Amino acid sequence: QKEVEQDPGPLSVPEGAIVSLNCTYSNSAFQYFMWYRQYSRKGPELLMYTYSSGNKEDGRFTAQVDKSSKYISLFIRDSQPSDSATYLCAMSGSSASKIIFGSGTRLSIRP
Amino acid sequence: EPEVTQTPSHQVTQMGQEVILRCVPISNHLYFYWYRQILGQKVEFLVSFYNNEISEKSEIFDDQFSVERPDGSNFTLKIRSTKLEDSAMYFCASSERRTSGGELFFGEGSRLTVL
Repeated sequence: QKEVEQDPGPLSVPEGAIVSLNCTYSNSAFQYFMWYRQYSRKGPELLMYTYSSGNKEDGRFTAQVDKSSKYISLFIRDSQPSDSATYLCAMSGSSASKIIFGSGTRLSIRP
Repeated sequence: EPEVTQTPSHQVTQMGQEVILRCVPISNHLYFYWYRQILGQKVEFLVSFYNNEISEKSEIFDDQFSVERPDGSNFTLKIRSTKLEDSAMYFCASSERRTSGGELFFGEGSRLTVL
């Protein structure tokens, strides 16, 4: 079983829709959960960062972590064409150095 | 806004040649990282660096790889004898303090093509 699993997509939704992106993981030692956005041929950009279980909201973005199910989600409300990018989930345990990334979900928002 | 800068943006090299990828981390950051992303695959951790020494490295980071902070601003990744499978996008990242990802800033990457 892969350490972090993420549906690669592509996912295409109309502008204004609510987008739901998800990852599952197998390592129960993970405590820190991140979502990065990556535009084509650019470096990952941190969107959301959460510790342990729960929800975190930042503008149109909401991150959810369910450690009991080993499942994390990112919701994007009122999606915009500029949200079109690859979204990477990432997580780490007590080690501060090593982040494990998912393979990324390619998202396209249709105007 | 401060940013991590990487050079070159793209390098083409012959198999067996040495390559040095350069990074200028954000000026007050103390922790430095290299990640790589083979085309179509996930971002993978290579190495972390703090206080002029390697903190952690992955199994990918074998003897042909080395990192150095030659002066107060640059952070370099050297690949001694490149192989075809080293072709990838290499990302440098930095953080102000020891972090589990929450404050990691990535550069735009250096694309390495090995022929």
